Amino acid sequence: GQQLNQSPQSMFIQEGEDVSMNCTSSSIFNTWLWYKQDPGEGPVLLIALYKAGELTSNGRLTAQFGITRKDSFLNISASIPSDVGIYFCAGHSNRDDKIIFGKGTRLHILP
Amino acid sequence: EAQVTQNPRYLITVTGKKLTVTCSQNMNHEYMSWYRQDPGLGLRQIYYSMNVEVTDKGDVPEGYKVSRKEKRNFPLILESPSPNQTSLYFCASSLTSGRAKHEQFFGPGTRLTVL
Repeated sequence: GQQLNQSPQSMFIQEGEDVSMNCTSSSIFNTWLWYKQDPGEGPVLLIALYKAGELTSNGRLTAQFGITRKDSFLNISASIPSDVGIYFCAGHSNRDDKIIFGKGTRLHILP
Repeated sequence: EAQVTQNPRYLITVTGKKLTVTCSQNMNHEYMSWYRQDPGLGLRQIYYSMNVEVTDKGDVPEGYKVSRKEKRNFPLILESPSPNQTSLYFCASSLTSGRAKHEQFFGPGTRLTVL
């Protein structure tokens, strides 16, 4: 079946640094989504992308739908302590109408 | 407030003792789904439902049952729990039409331990 490769698995950064993470797939997706999971809570949708090449921002977060439709990127600028958590990418394919989640990127911020 | 609720939030049980985790949403969403989250494995879909009385298997359905008798509720049933079902479980819901149909709302999670 389809799989999403999300990297990095974890990140340790200093407060104020920018963050980049990505998801890649061997097959095409029609929708890419990025979620954040705070400790002890359920994932919350951050950004949804519907078109190849699309670049969308949500505050300090920017995500892009790769032009090949096989990848997506999430950037966080000027990280702050509340950015700590697990970030999940998810892809949807019209072919089988299923949503698949990546394994997550755990973000740690050093004081 | 639009939300997905799950109960219980925490449960410790023993092997073989049937249990049900409830899930309810107040957004009139057609689509509901159950996931389990395990370290290093991310979110894996157990079952999903496109509407009332319509359910289908996800990627890891073995050992689980679901029902969708009402639009707002989607309980997850473990008839005979085993230790390998110890996990963090999430219920989610979304619309089934329009652009927002893939934008799932997640519940707060149920942490299940099977001894």
